[in-house]
Amino acid sequence: GENVEQHPSTLSVQEGDSAVIKCTYSDSASNYFPWYKQELGKRPQLIIDIRSNVGEKKDQRIAVTLNKTAKHFSLHITETQPEDSAVYFCAASITGGGNKLTFGTGTQLKVEL
Amino acid sequence: DTGVSQDPRHKITKRGQNVTFRCDPISEHNRLYWYRQTLGQGPEFLTYFQNEAQLEKSRLLSDRFSAERPKGSFSTLEIQRTEQGDSAMYLCASSFQGSGETQYFGPGTRLLVL
Repeated sequence: GENVEQHPSTLSVQEGDSAVIKCTYSDSASNYFPWYKQELGKRPQLIIDIRSNVGEKKDQRIAVTLNKTAKHFSLHITETQPEDSAVYFCAASITGGGNKLTFGTGTQLKVEL
Repeated sequence: DTGVSQDPRHKITKRGQNVTFRCDPISEHNRLYWYRQTLGQGPEFLTYFQNEAQLEKSRLLSDRFSAERPKGSFSTLEIQRTEQGDSAMYLCASSFQGSGETQYFGPGTRLLVL
């Protein structure tokens, strides 16, 4: 089955700096890659996703890139703010095949003032 | 609130007891998923339904676990003879097949088995 690895496990940045979180996946059939943000005690919330027919997607301060050949994808957050502090999870799935998500182990992002 | 809801939000039980959780998906969503999340880990897939049909179950789902979605709307997840290792957050998500299939998560039920 699919295996998703995520790095780093913790990331501390200064407010205004950029943050990058990287994930690799094992199943070349995976074609959908969402990113979820989870604040302490809250539900995971989708922040951005990318499909395999696209190499990059951007939404304001958040961008995701996908390299299908290398089987890795990354989340980029620019101009970080204290409210960006949370745990971020990447995931991979095969749409049309049930779309069950396989998650990475998460990155605890801390944005310091 | 038109999002995914789960009940109860917290459950404390003694080892060996049975527990049941409920999930109400976003209306019109035909797919419903159950995941389990332990501390410091990402959610792990347990099972999913398309309408009322349970189409896939993870190997994580032992025979003590059973899930139903009798009318294709809400779903229940039952754990029989609970064990301490069952302590986790049980998350439900729903999506609409054919419309991006984005999964929206509920707030979860936190289970503690003593």
